[in-house]
Amino acid sequence: DTEVTQTPKHLVMGMTNKKSLKCEQHMGHRAMYWYKQKAKKPPELMFVYSYEKLSINESVPSRFSPECPNSSLLNLHLHALQPEDSALYLCASRPTGGAQPQHFGDGTRLSIL
Amino acid sequence: DQQVKQNSPSLSVQEGRISILNCDYTNSMFDYFLWYKKYPAEGPTFLISISSIKDKNEDGRFTVFLNKSAKHLSLHIVPSQPGDSAVYFCAASEASGTYKYIFGTGTRLKVLA
Repeated sequence: DTEVTQTPKHLVMGMTNKKSLKCEQHMGHRAMYWYKQKAKKPPELMFVYSYEKLSINESVPSRFSPECPNSSLLNLHLHALQPEDSALYLCASRPTGGAQPQHFGDGTRLSIL
Repeated sequence: DQQVKQNSPSLSVQEGRISILNCDYTNSMFDYFLWYKKYPAEGPTFLISISSIKDKNEDGRFTVFLNKSAKHLSLHIVPSQPGDSAVYFCAASEASGTYKYIFGTGTRLKVLA
């Protein structure tokens, strides 16, 4: 069982829709991440939150809008996505301080029609 | 610019034999390295890590070796089991830096029964 929970597991949306992806962890981790993964490619970093503040934005288009309302929750708001945004979206968390591994959720499989 | 590379996209090994997965990196600032395993429809699972002050770390059947001068690390799995069949990603970061992890392109391991 993964300790990082992502919902929904699958999402199909049109290019004009607005939807949100949700990620939750209760391990007390204060660094949280969003990644995008396309088939046969490595996870590609999108955003990093540290102590609920955005610390890294890897030049992600504004149609993706992250939010970290508290230390356990991370959202990714989606609006006006393109077909090429279809991918697996992974959330991860890790403790802050020193060398620590990330723990991943099982992802949300997103399909844009 | 791919800072972390896994040059073998796939590897097949007989059950009970050793699996050796390789990873090369270019950034000399990386000082913390990790291996993840990924099954289809699941998120990456952390396997083992090593910091640059060590050249070897063992955990059960898994051993990671680090050669800093060659900027090379490898994962040894002994003995290999059919359940080890998955995609393996190496990742690297600057442990005292920005919490940013760079993933390699992945190696698909198939353990034959």
